[in-house]
Amino acid sequence: DAMVIQNPRYQVTQFGKPVTLSCSQTLNHNVMYWYQQKSSQAPKLLFHYYDKDFNNEADTPDNFQSRRPNTSFCFLDIRSPGLGDAAMYLCATSRDIGDRRGNEQFFGPGTRLTVL
Amino acid sequence: QKEVEQNSGPLSVPEGAIASLNCTYSDRVSQSFFWYRQYSGKSPELIMSIYSNGDKEDGRFTAQLNKASQYVSLLIRDSQPSDSATYLCAVIDFGNEKLTFGTGTRLTIIP
Repeated sequence: DAMVIQNPRYQVTQFGKPVTLSCSQTLNHNVMYWYQQKSSQAPKLLFHYYDKDFNNEADTPDNFQSRRPNTSFCFLDIRSPGLGDAAMYLCATSRDIGDRRGNEQFFGPGTRLTVL
Repeated sequence: QKEVEQNSGPLSVPEGAIASLNCTYSDRVSQSFFWYRQYSGKSPELIMSIYSNGDKEDGRFTAQLNKASQYVSLLIRDSQPSDSATYLCAVIDFGNEKLTFGTGTRLTIIP
């Protein structure tokens, strides 16, 4: 089945120790997104890629970086995690933008990040 | 700044009854509207998309859109305990890739 896969599902890191979260998709979608979701809050968009075109949200901290080496994979790097970065990190994909059916976003299972 | 408003709940509905979830949005250029279901500790799951005024039905779910009133709703018929979750309303502008989410309504179906 076509899907969005995230690894690992749970990640524990120490304060200040870099961590990388990965996302892959078999949907062949052009657009990939990274969201951060904290408890009882709505998902917050960090970045998105339209193909290889990177778009950073204005309020995304510099501590967060992203890479998309090919259509199928996207990575979220947190350079120096702080306690406030503990959250669920969600990867999502959509087929396209500017297309009513194509802009449906499908989420992966998420990675729960704990910072000690 | 686009805003999407939902009643946070919790909304409690007896099993077998109709659950009605409501959402209002502030931006008149919003074009696409989505309902996501999110179980505790899990990721959001897309359950309905609606783009035109009126009703859209899919199984036990009906989405209703009224662009003039800037209002979108989700009805769940024959509610089941497995419907207990947080329901997120989200909107997107045509040509804009950004989803704006409401904070969600927590729904509990009482057996």
